[in-house]
Amino acid sequence: NAGVTQTPKFRVLKTGQSMTLLCAQDMNHEYMYWYRQDPGMGLRLIHYSVGEGTTAKGEVPDGYNVSRLKKQNFLLGLESAAPSQTSVYFCASSYSSRPGTGNTIYFGEGSWLTVV
Amino acid sequence: GNSVTQMEGPVTLSEEAFLTINCTYTATGYPSLFWYVQYPGEGLQLLLKATKADDKGSNKGFEATYRKETTSFHLEKGSVQVSDSAVYFCALSVLSQNYGGSQGNLIFGKGTKLSVKP
Repeated sequence: NAGVTQTPKFRVLKTGQSMTLLCAQDMNHEYMYWYRQDPGMGLRLIHYSVGEGTTAKGEVPDGYNVSRLKKQNFLLGLESAAPSQTSVYFCASSYSSRPGTGNTIYFGEGSWLTVV
Repeated sequence: GNSVTQMEGPVTLSEEAFLTINCTYTATGYPSLFWYVQYPGEGLQLLLKATKADDKGSNKGFEATYRKETTSFHLEKGSVQVSDSAVYFCALSVLSQNYGGSQGNLIFGKGTKLSVKP
């Protein structure tokens, strides 16, 4: 049972380069998310998707784009990488929320990105 | 707005010591509460959760009780082990309109690093 899988796990980029992080989930979840984790900041939501073909901005969307062409995949793109985007990126997924239920979110193992 | 505040670390304990990591929250609506654990070099894993007031979540010897009157969800373990060394995140999920629809996005605390010494 793979759960949520992210690729690549590690990447070093030069300032101005572009790249795409891929997230795949095999749980048939409707919702998918991209977070970034920075020291002393916890996790912050970058973008999210409530279903195939939909995307929306989270708390810190600037400098990133996303696409959800297939239900099981959620791509995070860095258009022109900056040192401030050095971070650990986590993809996550969950079932649709319903009132009265706990919305358990399942995380991938993270992607370590360094921009020099 | 919705937010989570947890005690700052790092926390260093000896093996078999009692652990408490404090977590308080502010939320509109009816939040669900979670503790996630992140072991070194790994992603986040759900440790336990509680979906309504007075519920107690428990897993692997850890417990936390959803206290609506004190808006708290403190994590406890009676006897920690070296293998419990990790970063612990308190989080809440509230159905809201903030992100263009009703969905339970997670809001995290900043994390508390726990180190357990033999």
